[in-house]
Amino acid sequence: KAGVTQTPRYLIKTRGQQVTLSCSPISGHRSVSWYQQTPGQGLQFLFEYFSETQRNKGNFPGRFSGRQFSNSRSEMNVSTLELGDSALYLCASSLGSGVTGELFFGEGSRLTVL
Amino acid sequence: QQQVKQSPQSLIVQKGGIPIINCAYENTAFDYFPWYQQFPGKGPALLIAIRPDVSEKKEGRFTISFNKSAKQFSLHIMDSQPGDSATYFCAALTSGSRLTFGEGTQLTVNP
Repeated sequence: KAGVTQTPRYLIKTRGQQVTLSCSPISGHRSVSWYQQTPGQGLQFLFEYFSETQRNKGNFPGRFSGRQFSNSRSEMNVSTLELGDSALYLCASSLGSGVTGELFFGEGSRLTVL
Repeated sequence: QQQVKQSPQSLIVQKGGIPIINCAYENTAFDYFPWYQQFPGKGPALLIAIRPDVSEKKEGRFTISFNKSAKQFSLHIMDSQPGDSATYFCAALTSGSRLTFGEGTQLTVNP
């Protein structure tokens, strides 16, 4: 069974640009959530999508957005990039229905903002 | 209220030792407590998890101890190996897929 796939794995952007990251969840999983990992703030929840609807949102500015498609694949977008947005962005998938809790992470997309 | 406090920040043990990592939480609405293992350049991998109606769970060399009244839980790694050297994160979940993570513990197991 294939795991969570994130693309691109590495990318470099400059301040003010925007970026789109992609996540393909495990087959059959309907929930996709996104996390930001930095040395200073650790792992922080960005948002969760379930059946194409945002189900939960963390404390990040509106520059961070996401969406989910009918095949459960998800994208997140960061507009007007700032230096502080440099981080590892992790996608996690889960079945998403009922009481589960088992989240499986991808290897992440490492974003560097110059 | 949403925080999960993890200690120690780093830990060094000899091969065969039993490293113990501790976590504490405040929010009594948390109902699922997983531990994740992360190697450099990789995403976190689910190691073991427990729900608050159980005081202990063991999977292979990994054991979670859970103290609901104290709002604390810990990870024990029996017979630790150099390959266990990684960063370990505790986490807590209330609903959906919103995990609140601890700060992480960098474990080094010396040969």
